[in-house]
Amino acid sequence: NTVMTQSPTSMFISVGDRVAMNCKASQKVGTNVDWYQQKIGQSPKLLIYGASNRYIGVPDRFTGSGSGTDFTLTISNLQAEDLAVYYCLQYNSNPRTFGGGTKLELK
Amino acid sequence: QIQLVQSGPEVKKPGESVKISCKASGYSFTDYAIHWVKQAPGKGLKWMGWINTYNGKPTYADDFKGRFVFSLEASASTANLQISNLKNEDTATYFCAREAYYGYNYVMDAWGQGASVTVSS
Repeated sequence: NTVMTQSPTSMFISVGDRVAMNCKASQKVGTNVDWYQQKIGQSPKLLIYGASNRYIGVPDRFTGSGSGTDFTLTISNLQAEDLAVYYCLQYNSNPRTFGGGTKLELK
Repeated sequence: QIQLVQSGPEVKKPGESVKISCKASGYSFTDYAIHWVKQAPGKGLKWMGWINTYNGKPTYADDFKGRFVFSLEASASTANLQISNLKNEDTATYFCAREAYYGYNYVMDAWGQGASVTVSS
């Protein structure tokens, strides 16, 4: 199974910050990685698909990059509504596997 | 609009069974697979598997083989998750999600609101 390791597990941030979080796959997954945002008490929402493509309606401050084993989600000019847990997911092979999540918290 | 509406919270005793439903609307049900995802309290997301809504074939992740069954009521645009012989560790919120093929990629582009299952004696 492909293990997805996210880092850091949490980040303390301020509004307006630029943050980058990482996701490392235990084997090559091409660009078959999506990023999901989950706010407290809500279901996950798709942000980025195919490693670098912004989904419909996602603000352009969210950027995904990477291929192979290393992936990054960057949020520029962070807004208060971006406080959430972010998960990467690989769908290159079954079983699909999520990373453990990166939680954004206010300083 | 596209919606997945899941059944309400359940409280069960160990050894009992539970059935969670996921009713789809706003699109052609059999054109999109349904995935199931588990989230234990305070924990991350865990992929359980998926069901092909065209032919009803389920695929389970290893940790969810045996006591977990994915099924369909296609005429009602509904996918179901049944868990038998419940254990304390089954306490979680279970999400259904629609999978779309989008821009040459697979995405879970619509999610249910989650169904909470609490297992306690």
